[in-house]
Amino acid sequence: DQQVKQNSPSLSVQEGRISILNCDYTNSMFDYFLWYKKYPAEGPTFLISISSIKDKNEDGRFTVFLNKSAKHLSLHIVPSQPGDSAVYFCAASAYGGSQGNLIFGKGTKLSVKP
Amino acid sequence: EAQVTQNPRYLITVTGKKLTVTCSQNMNHEYMSWYRQDPGLGLRQIYYSMNVEVTDKGDVPEGYKVSRKEKRNFPLILESPSPNQTSLYFCASSLSRIGLANYGYTFGSGTRLTVV
Repeated sequence: DQQVKQNSPSLSVQEGRISILNCDYTNSMFDYFLWYKKYPAEGPTFLISISSIKDKNEDGRFTVFLNKSAKHLSLHIVPSQPGDSAVYFCAASAYGGSQGNLIFGKGTKLSVKP
Repeated sequence: EAQVTQNPRYLITVTGKKLTVTCSQNMNHEYMSWYRQDPGLGLRQIYYSMNVEVTDKGDVPEGYKVSRKEKRNFPLILESPSPNQTSLYFCASSLSRIGLANYGYTFGSGTRLTVV
């Protein structure tokens, strides 16, 4: 059973607009959530994280929102730029943020069109 | 430069021929991990290690072995590779807990393995 779900395989957005990538989880033990970005032929790159004690974390153009009651988080990119075109993975960790067993979703491919 | 180095980048091998994919990190990280990426399945964890001589299974450990004899190295061993192990493999390392430094795993560039 998939514990971290990204139900949209792809998303297309116009440059300058907002990109919203969604992620749902099932395991209530998860207490840290992370987003990674991946370009072709490269390893994933850490983007932003959020602890379960918060509902929002911001870093420049990237904001992650967490709704614990709905077991849902989202990544907002504002404004979107063509260089943001990549696959975005949501990931979750339990046990106080231990990164031993980090569970990833299947990813969402974002295309930002000029 | 802080990095995770995997070798080789590309490997084609035959069924049953033992192989090792090496992984090394220069950041003195406690945690290291191996993932495989397959189309439609995302990143799935194979094994992880919390420190020297401490390893544990991830979600898809069957057919793989690992060892952590030194902090910087975490090789992935396929004793008898099969075609269903054809995949893109990533090694990663991190500090023990996300909260300590507010950053996640640092990933290597990947190893594309084909088993024929």
